[in-house]
Amino acid sequence: DTGVSQDPRHKITKRGQNVTFRCDPISEHNRLYWYRQTLGQGPEFLTYFQNEAQLEKSRLLSDRFSAERPKGSFSTLEIQRTEQGDSAMYLCASSRAGVASGANVLTFGAGSRLTVL
Amino acid sequence: GENVEQHPSTLSVQEGDSAVIKCTYSDSASNYFPWYKQELGKRPQLIIDIRSNVGEKKDQRIAVTLNKTAKHFSLHITETQPEDSAVYFCAVNTNAGKSTFGDGTTLTVKP
Repeated sequence: DTGVSQDPRHKITKRGQNVTFRCDPISEHNRLYWYRQTLGQGPEFLTYFQNEAQLEKSRLLSDRFSAERPKGSFSTLEIQRTEQGDSAMYLCASSRAGVASGANVLTFGAGSRLTVL
Repeated sequence: GENVEQHPSTLSVQEGDSAVIKCTYSDSASNYFPWYKQELGKRPQLIIDIRSNVGEKKDQRIAVTLNKTAKHFSLHITETQPEDSAVYFCAVNTNAGKSTFGDGTTLTVKP
């Protein structure tokens, strides 16, 4: 296991198209997070899963965004009818839940950079 | 929801000097406070973290201090080197799940 993997690394699309990103977390991590980062800003929380359950979704997140983690392993983030304002780096991270040492420590993937023309 | 403020937004120091970055938060239930370093074009990586039962933690040239009463914590980097130049993010977390990030501090270490 070499860490958190994201695919694709770069996606250029036209406004109105749908895009899907995939994240493969560290195998022993039961939490998976999606964040969005734009230039000069910190990562902005989108949603997270514990196993296959989606436990929280940002209130700022449009209905055009949906995420799944069907078997508690990899996750997909889909953006429908993309807009230019969706252009950003989409970061996936994973962690272990709990209170023990190392819990809640996020390991990030390299990100999927979306450009909407 | 949680509100995290980070200061300063940019910091320039001479090599060998110390750098201090501060964050404040709003949720008194927060109990985990990590710091991430993000180099240009790369992913954020954890450099140090502290949990609410500890007031200070040190790892070589970096340290973090936490004041739970005042709801603020700080990153201290001593003997700065050019390779410390990066964007640093604080984050705040509860056991419930998500981390909320500050807006980052761009640190430049001038040789």
